Amino acid sequence: LAKTTQPISMDSYEGQEVNITCSHNNIATNDYITWYQQFPSQGPRFIIQGYKTKVTNEVASLFIPADRKSSTLSLPRVSLSDTAVYYCLVGDGQTGFQKLVFGTGTRLLVSP
Amino acid sequence: GAVVSQHPSWVICKSGTSVKIECRSLDFQATTMFWYRQFPKQSLMLMATSNEGSKATYEQGVEKDKFLINHASLTLSTLTVTSAHPEDSSFYICSALGQASQPQHFGDGTRLSIL
Repeated sequence: LAKTTQPISMDSYEGQEVNITCSHNNIATNDYITWYQQFPSQGPRFIIQGYKTKVTNEVASLFIPADRKSSTLSLPRVSLSDTAVYYCLVGDGQTGFQKLVFGTGTRLLVSP
Repeated sequence: GAVVSQHPSWVICKSGTSVKIECRSLDFQATTMFWYRQFPKQSLMLMATSNEGSKATYEQGVEKDKFLINHASLTLSTLTVTSAHPEDSSFYICSALGQASQPQHFGDGTRLSIL
């Protein structure tokens, strides 16, 4: 299972763009990159998933360089409600991301 | 989007009792469900993988006789914490997997407090 490394915490202010980078040096050919958001006392919520280049949805963008050894989650114009823990995970897309291994996650604090 | 419902959301019980937690996939069939445990300020730790119609696969260090898992249908998996003790107090979260290449979808967790 590919291990991921991400910053323990980040601070930002409302309205700013936040970029959280995740390192996954041992990512396998079939692995996809998935990001989840977790609020206190709630289960993780799926944000975005990608394999290579760039993926964008209504809440975030995911940038993946050609070597796929890292990825960056970009949150445009964050608000106070974006304060949460963000997890980066890699998993085999062909087997449906079996056995996800959660790392420490990045605790994002958005201030007024 | 895919919805996973977990019940109850919060339970308090006396030491020695057994507690059952349900995990349901509401709008898709889940061939595989996962059970996690999360202690305060820590990350999620996978406890077991549950496949419909077969025995669950437990992670190393997780007692299968302590944490009974049943996955009798494609939309329901249950976790029973047997003879619960205060050290079993934690936040238990399930997730469900539908089609391959799709991400896991998580329930909102169950806060278990053993007195």
